Amino acid sequence: AQSVAQPEDQVNVAEGNPLTVKCTYSVSGNPYLFWYVQYPNRGLQFLLKYITGDNLVKGSYGFEAEFNKSQTSFHLKKPSALVSDSALYFCAVRDSGGGATNKLIFGTGTLLAVQP
Amino acid sequence: NAGVTQTPKFRILKIGQSMTLQCAQDMNHNYMYWYRQDPGMGLKLIYYSVGAGITDKGEVPNGYNVSRSTTEDFPLRLELAAPSQTSVYFCASRSRGREVEKLFFGSGTQLSVL
Repeated sequence: AQSVAQPEDQVNVAEGNPLTVKCTYSVSGNPYLFWYVQYPNRGLQFLLKYITGDNLVKGSYGFEAEFNKSQTSFHLKKPSALVSDSALYFCAVRDSGGGATNKLIFGTGTLLAVQP
Repeated sequence: NAGVTQTPKFRILKIGQSMTLQCAQDMNHNYMYWYRQDPGMGLKLIYYSVGAGITDKGEVPNGYNVSRSTTEDFPLRLELAAPSQTSVYFCASRSRGREVEKLFFGSGTQLSVL
């Protein structure tokens, strides 16, 4: 079964410093991986996805993610954190049994706290 | 452009009561989903629909029902509310096009069952 793991419940970083939010995956076949962000009292918003091609994927709000097949990881990164980046971040993988439904399986989420 | 609209935003139910969580999207999306979000548990899929008249169970369907009579609407029904159904519920939709993995989420319904 497809799954993703986010090993950190919370990541703390100072504004202006680089940030990394970790995600590892377990899939059968080619992975379809995603990052979503949830701001307080809001629904999730799509950030970026990896389907195939370049291992470094660029997304919204200056975020990028690096796909590493040998380490089965898909870490979210940003060179310089902003206080406004503080939110809950979810890694997700497409369910291989989804077929036309393309259901997503979400990780447990990582709370990013950026201190001014 | 409203996107995905969920109502109500908050609700408190007594054990055994029933209610319907409303979800509507104005993007002509075929696929719609209901997730519940529990602290430390991420999002779990309750039900989904690939089009009007077609629904199917997700990971945690027990205690819930859905219907999809139109493309726009996908209500979630709780028949006999239980404390275990205390959660935040999110409705989501997506198109059938190339961006098939890009889900659009509503702002959620926070439900407490006491």
